[in-house]
Amino acid sequence: AQSVTQLDSQVPVFEEAPVELRCNYSSSVSVYLFWYVQYPNQGLQLLLKYLSGSTLVKGINGFEAEFNKSQTSFHLRKPSVHISDTAEYFCAVSERNQAGTALIFGKGTTLSVSS
Amino acid sequence: SQTIHQWPATLVQPVGSPLSLECTVEGTSNPNLYWYRQAAGRGLQLLFYSVGIGQISSEVPQNLSASRPQDRQFILSSKKLLLSDSGFYLCAWTPGGFGGYTFGSGTRLTVV
Repeated sequence: AQSVTQLDSQVPVFEEAPVELRCNYSSSVSVYLFWYVQYPNQGLQLLLKYLSGSTLVKGINGFEAEFNKSQTSFHLRKPSVHISDTAEYFCAVSERNQAGTALIFGKGTTLSVSS
Repeated sequence: SQTIHQWPATLVQPVGSPLSLECTVEGTSNPNLYWYRQAAGRGLQLLFYSVGIGQISSEVPQNLSASRPQDRQFILSSKKLLLSDSGFYLCAWTPGGFGGYTFGSGTRLTVV
């Protein structure tokens, strides 16, 4: 069975500082990996995804993530955050080649950006 | 383009009352559909998913049920709500590939 661990429940940072949100996964098969963002009382929006190819994935809003198979990690990074990046971020995994199977989510990381 | 609609946005229901949340997808056919529940501090919990009409898979035994009466309609129901059913319910769809899920805007359910 798959599982996702987001290592930090809360990450406070100052505006324009870099940030890294950590995500580790566990699976006995190859996986696809995703990062979603959720603003208060809204649904989830896809930030980026890793399906295959380059292990460095670029997404929306200046975010990027790197897939590291040996460390089973998919950490999310942004070189300079804005106040508007304050939100909850979810890492998710699904089994490769298993159409119809659902995403398994981590418990989320709350990113708080202050001035 | 494809869109997903979920309603109502908020709902306050007494314990023991029934529940019906509806989700519809437009602009696609035969989507995979999902219901998730989000409780504070617990991330997103998969409740049900469906890969076709009448095909429902339940991930967590509980007080809820799901149905898919039409290709692009997914309904979450309960006969008698419990306090523990409170949470933020999210519907999502995917075309069956691996491009990522698209989520609805969610329903905030408070059982009182």
